[in-house]
Amino acid sequence: EVQLVESGGGLVQPGGSLRLSCAASGFAFSNYEMNWVRQAPGKGLEWVSYTSNGGSSTFYADSVKGRFTISRDNAENSLYLQMNSLRAEDTAVYYCARGRGPIATYGDYWGQGTLVTVSS
Amino acid sequence: EIVMTQSPATLSVSPGERATLSCRATQGVSTNLAWYQKKPGQAPRLLIYGTSTRATGIPARFSGSGSGTEFTLTISSLQSEDFALYYCQHYNNWPPAFGQGTKVEIK
Repeated sequence: EVQLVESGGGLVQPGGSLRLSCAASGFAFSNYEMNWVRQAPGKGLEWVSYTSNGGSSTFYADSVKGRFTISRDNAENSLYLQMNSLRAEDTAVYYCARGRGPIATYGDYWGQGTLVTVSS
Repeated sequence: EIVMTQSPATLSVSPGERATLSCRATQGVSTNLAWYQKKPGQAPRLLIYGTSTRATGIPARFSGSGSGTEFTLTISSLQSEDFALYYCQHYNNWPPAFGQGTKVEIK
Protein backbone atom coordinates (compact mmCIF):
# COMPACT_ATOMS: atom_id res chain seq x y z
CA GLU A 1 0.00 0.00 0.00
CA VAL A 2 1.36 3.40 -0.98
CA GLN A 3 1.77 5.67 2.03
CA LEU A 4 3.06 9.21 2.35
CA VAL A 5 3.39 10.70 5.82
CA GLU A 6 4.34 14.34 6.31
CA SER A 7 5.88 15.77 9.46
CA GLY A 8 7.71 18.84 10.67
CA GLY A 9 4.94 21.41 10.65
CA GLY A 10 4.34 23.81 13.50
CA LEU A 11 4.23 27.41 14.62
CA VAL A 12 7.07 29.65 13.46
CA GLN A 13 7.63 33.38 13.58
CA PRO A 14 7.79 35.49 10.42
CA GLY A 15 11.28 35.33 8.99
CA GLY A 16 11.88 31.94 10.55
CA SER A 17 12.66 28.55 9.05
CA LEU A 18 11.11 25.12 9.08
CA ARG A 19 11.93 21.80 7.43
CA LEU A 20 9.14 19.50 6.35
CA SER A 21 9.61 15.79 5.76
CA CYS A 22 7.59 13.23 3.85
CA ALA A 23 8.21 9.54 4.53
CA ALA A 24 7.26 7.28 1.66
CA SER A 25 6.51 3.57 1.69
CA GLY A 26 4.79 0.92 -0.38
CA PHE A 27 6.41 1.85 -3.69
CA ALA A 28 9.83 2.27 -5.30
CA PHE A 29 10.38 5.85 -4.14
CA SER A 30 13.52 6.41 -6.21
CA ASN A 31 11.57 5.76 -9.43
CA TYR A 32 9.06 8.57 -8.88
CA GLU A 33 9.05 12.32 -9.14
CA MET A 34 7.55 14.10 -6.16
CA ASN A 35 5.78 17.36 -5.38
CA TRP A 36 4.73 19.61 -2.54
CA VAL A 37 1.30 21.23 -2.69
CA ARG A 38 -0.24 23.51 -0.07
CA GLN A 39 -3.65 24.77 0.97
CA ALA A 40 -3.94 27.97 2.96
CA PRO A 41 -6.89 28.28 5.38
CA GLY A 42 -10.09 28.81 3.43
CA LYS A 43 -8.21 28.81 0.11
CA GLY A 44 -7.66 26.42 -2.75
CA LEU A 45 -4.79 24.12 -3.61
CA GLU A 46 -1.49 25.65 -4.72
CA TRP A 47 1.37 23.71 -6.31
CA VAL A 48 4.62 24.60 -4.52
CA SER A 49 7.54 22.54 -5.78
CA TYR A 50 8.67 19.52 -7.82
CA THR A 51 11.71 17.27 -7.81
CA SER A 52 12.82 14.69 -10.33
CA ASN A 53 13.33 11.11 -9.17
CA GLY A 54 17.05 11.60 -8.73
CA GLY A 55 16.73 15.09 -7.30
CA SER A 56 18.79 16.82 -9.98
CA SER A 57 15.88 18.75 -11.45
CA THR A 58 13.66 21.00 -9.34
CA PHE A 59 10.96 23.60 -9.99
CA TYR A 60 9.26 26.12 -7.73
CA ALA A 61 6.21 28.33 -7.72
CA ASP A 62 7.13 32.00 -8.03
CA SER A 63 5.63 32.59 -4.58
CA VAL A 64 8.33 30.48 -2.90
CA LYS A 65 11.27 30.70 -5.31
CA GLY A 66 14.48 31.65 -3.55
CA ARG A 67 13.04 30.86 -0.11
CA PHE A 68 12.09 27.16 -0.30
CA THR A 69 14.30 24.22 -1.29
CA ILE A 70 13.01 20.78 -2.19
CA SER A 71 15.27 17.76 -1.76
CA ARG A 72 15.08 14.02 -1.32
CA ASP A 73 17.01 11.10 0.13
CA ASN A 74 16.22 8.01 -1.90
CA ALA A 75 18.15 5.78 0.48
CA GLU A 76 15.79 6.90 3.25
CA ASN A 77 12.65 7.06 1.05
CA SER A 78 12.17 10.63 2.16
CA LEU A 79 11.22 13.96 0.62
CA TYR A 80 11.98 17.31 2.22
CA LEU A 81 10.99 20.94 1.96
CA GLN A 82 13.32 23.48 3.58
CA MET A 83 11.38 26.68 4.11
CA ASN A 84 13.28 29.89 4.95
CA SER A 85 12.24 33.53 5.33
CA LEU A 86 8.72 32.41 6.13
CA ARG A 87 5.84 34.83 5.74
CA ALA A 88 2.31 34.92 7.09
CA GLU A 89 1.04 33.99 3.64
CA ASP A 90 2.97 30.70 3.82
CA THR A 91 0.55 29.53 6.51
CA ALA A 92 -1.05 26.40 5.07
CA VAL A 93 -1.38 22.66 5.21
CA TYR A 94 1.48 21.22 3.17
CA TYR A 95 0.97 17.97 1.29
CA CYS A 96 3.50 15.76 -0.44
CA ALA A 97 2.22 14.02 -3.54
CA ARG A 98 3.64 11.41 -5.88
CA GLY A 99 3.94 12.95 -9.32
CA ARG A 100 2.57 11.52 -12.55
CA GLY A 101 1.97 12.76 -16.07
CA PRO A 102 4.20 14.41 -18.69
CA ILE A 103 5.70 16.85 -16.20
CA ALA A 104 4.91 14.59 -13.23
CA THR A 105 2.88 17.18 -11.38
CA TYR A 106 -0.48 15.62 -10.97
CA GLY A 107 -0.60 13.60 -7.78
CA ASP A 108 -1.91 10.08 -7.70
CA TYR A 109 -1.12 9.56 -4.02
CA TRP A 110 -1.08 12.21 -1.32
CA GLY A 111 -0.15 12.40 2.31
CA GLN A 112 -2.49 13.69 5.00
CA GLY A 113 -0.62 16.95 5.27
CA THR A 114 1.23 18.91 7.94
CA LEU A 115 0.15 22.35 9.16
CA VAL A 116 2.55 25.26 9.05
CA THR A 117 1.52 28.41 10.89
CA VAL A 118 3.59 31.57 10.47
CA SER A 119 2.68 34.06 13.15
CA SER A 120 4.24 36.20 15.83
CA GLU B 1 1.31 31.23 -16.98
CA ILE B 2 -1.97 29.40 -17.44
CA VAL B 3 -4.85 30.32 -15.14
CA MET B 4 -7.59 27.79 -14.41
CA THR B 5 -11.12 29.02 -13.69
CA GLN B 6 -13.82 26.75 -12.31
CA SER B 7 -17.56 27.34 -12.42
CA PRO B 8 -19.82 27.55 -10.64
CA ALA B 9 -18.22 28.35 -7.29
CA THR B 10 -21.01 26.44 -5.54
CA LEU B 11 -23.36 23.84 -6.99
CA SER B 12 -26.45 22.82 -5.03
CA VAL B 13 -27.66 19.37 -6.03
CA SER B 14 -30.08 16.82 -4.59
CA PRO B 15 -28.85 13.28 -3.92
CA GLY B 16 -29.36 11.13 -6.99
CA GLU B 17 -29.20 14.07 -9.36
CA ARG B 18 -26.51 14.82 -11.92
CA ALA B 19 -23.77 17.38 -11.27
CA THR B 20 -21.77 19.10 -13.99
CA LEU B 21 -18.66 21.06 -13.06
CA SER B 22 -16.71 23.22 -15.50
CA CYS B 23 -13.05 24.15 -15.74
CA ARG B 24 -11.56 26.60 -18.22
CA ALA B 25 -7.92 27.29 -19.03
CA THR B 26 -6.57 30.58 -20.36
CA GLN B 27 -4.46 28.64 -22.87
CA GLY B 28 -4.74 25.18 -24.35
CA VAL B 29 -3.54 22.35 -22.11
CA SER B 30 -4.23 19.51 -24.54
CA THR B 31 -5.74 16.74 -22.41
CA ASN B 32 -3.34 17.27 -19.50
CA LEU B 33 -6.07 17.91 -16.99
CA ALA B 34 -6.83 16.25 -13.66
CA TRP B 35 -9.72 16.45 -11.21
CA TYR B 36 -9.53 15.99 -7.44
CA GLN B 37 -12.03 15.65 -4.64
CA LYS B 38 -11.20 17.38 -1.35
CA LYS B 39 -12.95 17.00 1.98
CA PRO B 40 -12.06 18.94 5.14
CA GLY B 41 -9.19 17.37 7.05
CA GLN B 42 -8.50 14.86 4.30
CA ALA B 43 -5.91 14.61 1.57
CA PRO B 44 -6.94 15.44 -1.98
CA ARG B 45 -8.17 12.37 -3.84
CA LEU B 46 -7.35 11.97 -7.52
CA LEU B 47 -10.50 11.28 -9.50
CA ILE B 48 -9.60 11.82 -13.14
CA TYR B 49 -6.36 12.30 -15.09
CA GLY B 50 -5.72 12.78 -18.79
CA THR B 51 -9.09 14.60 -18.93
CA SER B 52 -11.15 11.42 -18.93
CA THR B 53 -9.32 8.48 -17.31
CA ARG B 54 -10.65 7.47 -13.92
CA ALA B 55 -8.03 6.87 -11.25
CA THR B 56 -7.81 3.55 -9.46
CA GLY B 57 -10.91 2.76 -7.43
CA ILE B 58 -12.96 5.72 -8.65
CA PRO B 59 -16.62 4.82 -9.30
CA ALA B 60 -17.98 4.96 -12.83
CA ARG B 61 -20.42 7.73 -11.89
CA PHE B 62 -17.46 10.13 -12.19
CA SER B 63 -16.56 11.05 -15.75
CA GLY B 64 -14.45 13.72 -17.39
CA SER B 65 -14.45 15.27 -20.83
CA GLY B 66 -13.06 18.14 -22.86
CA SER B 67 -9.83 19.24 -24.47
CA GLY B 68 -7.87 22.38 -25.13
CA THR B 69 -9.33 25.00 -22.83
CA GLU B 70 -12.75 23.65 -21.79
CA PHE B 71 -13.24 20.70 -19.47
CA THR B 72 -16.11 19.10 -17.59
CA LEU B 73 -16.42 16.76 -14.62
CA THR B 74 -19.77 14.99 -14.44
CA ILE B 75 -21.09 13.06 -11.47
CA SER B 76 -23.99 11.10 -12.88
CA SER B 77 -25.94 10.39 -9.69
CA LEU B 78 -24.74 12.13 -6.57
CA GLN B 79 -24.21 9.99 -3.49
CA SER B 80 -23.96 11.37 0.03
CA GLU B 81 -20.19 10.90 0.04
CA ASP B 82 -19.78 13.03 -3.09
CA PHE B 83 -20.65 16.32 -1.39
CA ALA B 84 -17.24 17.96 -1.26
CA LEU B 85 -14.93 20.43 -2.96
CA TYR B 86 -13.64 19.62 -6.44
CA TYR B 87 -10.52 21.03 -8.06
CA CYS B 88 -9.23 20.84 -11.59
CA GLN B 89 -5.50 21.06 -12.33
CA HIS B 90 -3.57 21.40 -15.55
CA TYR B 91 -0.16 19.75 -15.84
CA ASN B 92 0.62 20.67 -19.43
CA ASN B 93 3.59 22.94 -18.74
CA TRP B 94 5.28 24.95 -15.98
CA PRO B 95 3.91 25.99 -13.65
CA PRO B 96 1.07 23.53 -13.13
CA ALA B 97 -1.99 25.20 -11.69
CA PHE B 98 -5.22 24.41 -9.89
CA GLY B 99 -8.60 26.02 -10.31
CA GLN B 100 -10.13 27.76 -7.32
CA GLY B 101 -12.56 24.90 -6.70
CA THR B 102 -16.26 24.12 -6.93
CA LYS B 103 -18.17 23.22 -3.79
CA VAL B 104 -20.88 20.62 -4.36
CA GLU B 105 -23.45 20.97 -1.60
CA ILE B 106 -26.69 19.27 -0.71
CA LYS B 107 -29.76 21.05 -2.05
